[in-house]
Amino acid sequence: DTAVSQTPKYLVTQMGNDKSIKCEQNLGHDTMYWYKQDSKKFLKIMFSYNNKELIINETVPNRFSPKSPDKAHLNLHINSLELGDSAVYFCASSQFGGPYEQYFGPGTRLTVT
Amino acid sequence: KQEVTQIPAALSVPEGENLVLNCSFTDSAIYNLQWFRQDPGKGLTSLLLIQSSQREQTSGRLNASLDKSSGRSTLYIAASQPGDSATYLCAALNTNAGKSTFGDGTTLTVKP
Repeated sequence: DTAVSQTPKYLVTQMGNDKSIKCEQNLGHDTMYWYKQDSKKFLKIMFSYNNKELIINETVPNRFSPKSPDKAHLNLHINSLELGDSAVYFCASSQFGGPYEQYFGPGTRLTVT
Repeated sequence: KQEVTQIPAALSVPEGENLVLNCSFTDSAIYNLQWFRQDPGKGLTSLLLIQSSQREQTSGRLNASLDKSSGRSTLYIAASQPGDSATYLCAALNTNAGKSTFGDGTTLTVKP
């Protein structure tokens, strides 16, 4: 049983295209996150949703738009992709109210050519 | 703004050695500190979580400690094995922001 799943695992696309990454968790958590891991392996939070509401929105270009249809799903849509968007994107989830242990998905490797 | 530093960036040890990985954070107002393991091309696997009221947590050969006042956490790995080779990341969760700040990781290589 996969706890946090992401699709697709790999995504290769050209500059200027629009793409989406989907995330689902079956842990019953109410908080979900998107992280970006760049080529230097540095991991940084992008967004966080609690019960479908945005609670964390870091300094991310507005080309990135997260959507949470329900508390088990958090999708990431990226418009007008740029070379600098190439990275691994991780979804994670936790339960609000403690202990906030985060569980990560396998990641989506996005390559923009 | 929370900053998390992990030292060393890379560590190579012979099999069987005990080792310590270090994690430092600048803002002591943390809710918890979580240690992860990341294998090449894989996601993050949670190893241990220490809540702010706790001093340490243990799981098998792993022991993590937390000293909020000094802004430090350590991950102790006993009797290291080649299978322990991976990148180890620590993350500090801040109560005010509700977000985790990750360190850059320590890449561990255990040689047979």
